[in-house]
Amino acid sequence: AQRVTQPEKLLSVFKGAPVELKCNYSYSGSPELFWYVQYSRQRLQLLLRHISRESIKGFTADLNKGETSFHLKKPFAQEEDSAMYYCALSEGSNIRLTFGKGTLLTVNP
Amino acid sequence: DSGVTQTPKHLITATGQRVTLRCSPRSGDLSVYWYQQSLDQGLQFLIQYYNGEERAKGNILERFSAQQFPDLHSELNLSSLELGDSALYFCASSVRPAGELFFGEGSRLTVL
Repeated sequence: AQRVTQPEKLLSVFKGAPVELKCNYSYSGSPELFWYVQYSRQRLQLLLRHISRESIKGFTADLNKGETSFHLKKPFAQEEDSAMYYCALSEGSNIRLTFGKGTLLTVNP
Repeated sequence: DSGVTQTPKHLITATGQRVTLRCSPRSGDLSVYWYQQSLDQGLQFLIQYYNGEERAKGNILERFSAQQFPDLHSELNLSSLELGDSALYFCASSVRPAGELFFGEGSRLTVL
């Protein structure tokens, strides 16, 4: 069975500091990995997906199949990055998404 | 707003009762998904429909059922409610089964 683990429930950094939100997964096939974000009083929305290999709002994530990880990184955190972040895994063409339990990121001024 | 809409936003009911949560997908989206979010379990996949047909099933209890209607809206029926069913229930939609998910604001169910 597929599983997504986000080891940190809470992460607090100062503005301008680098931030890394960890995500590890277990899946026997070829997964598709995603990061979803929920800002305060907003809907859960897609931040980025590994197949697009793009940077969104300064965030990047690299799929490391050897370490089964998909950590989300940003070199300089901003206060508006404060939100709940969810890592998710899809079984290839079946979009059934399995989510991690989320990490609440707080960026302090 | 042409996004995913869910009703009701909040619902308080008693144990043993039955409730129906409704979801209207984004215009043009054929897939609908239901997720349950509780404090300790995070986002749990319940069930997925594509163009009226059930496509995938997750950890959905037998007391729960869902369907997608010809106009593509979906309903999640929760019966014989228990205290542990209190949670935020999210609906999401996508154009196709492998597309980006767009989420609704959720329906918060409280069972007393």
